[in-house]
Amino acid sequence: GAGVSQSPSNKVTEKGKDVELRCDPISGHTALYWYRQRLGQGLEFLIYFQGNSAPDKSGLPSDRFSAERTGESVSTLTIQRTQQEDSAVYLCASRKGLAGSSGANVLTFGAGSRLTVL
Amino acid sequence: GEDVEQSLFLSVREGDSSVINCTYTDSSSTYLYWYKQEPGAGLQLLTYIFSNMDMKQDQRLTVLLNKKDKHLSLRIADTQTGDSAIYFCAVSNSGNTPLVFGKGTRLSVIA
Repeated sequence: GAGVSQSPSNKVTEKGKDVELRCDPISGHTALYWYRQRLGQGLEFLIYFQGNSAPDKSGLPSDRFSAERTGESVSTLTIQRTQQEDSAVYLCASRKGLAGSSGANVLTFGAGSRLTVL
Repeated sequence: GEDVEQSLFLSVREGDSSVINCTYTDSSSTYLYWYKQEPGAGLQLLTYIFSNMDMKQDQRLTVLLNKKDKHLSLRIADTQTGDSAIYFCAVSNSGNTPLVFGKGTRLSVIA
């Protein structure tokens, strides 16, 4: 697609329920990142996929969080047994290949999925 | 780990220059970025600078880097109401490592 697409744009759920958030990166982009943005906070890195390499899961805050990516396409972020502190905007970003010849990590972000846990 | 700090709010009059400041802690940070976030939208990359540069200019945007003080700034000349947004500073120490973001500076432009 033309941009990074995320769904749902808004999700309200009850504490204890599981949620799935979806990211559809730009076609041909092999790198995909998930970030979390809590109200008034910066972006927190969650997980990074690069092609067929093992993902970098170092940012996942607990074992309730997991993410999958099928090849170089769609990724889903799953939060099990949601808690109120999980309320945030979850942002996905993608990049074409490894960092470019300039070396810079130039990411294209989606508009995010806003999760509210009641 | 890396810590990136920004002031949370800045208010300027239309036509004035805006200067948004950022400090970081990891001296090995080699790539430094400025992103813009408008309401309901994803982050948009504005510009980035390598640590071997002191300054980068791109139209109305000027980025200054003081590597000794680990201080980065973004100057927006002739600020317009359309520049009202949240501006995020981000750093990384290699091209593929995840970016570490500040909390963002909300810029309000008064007509």
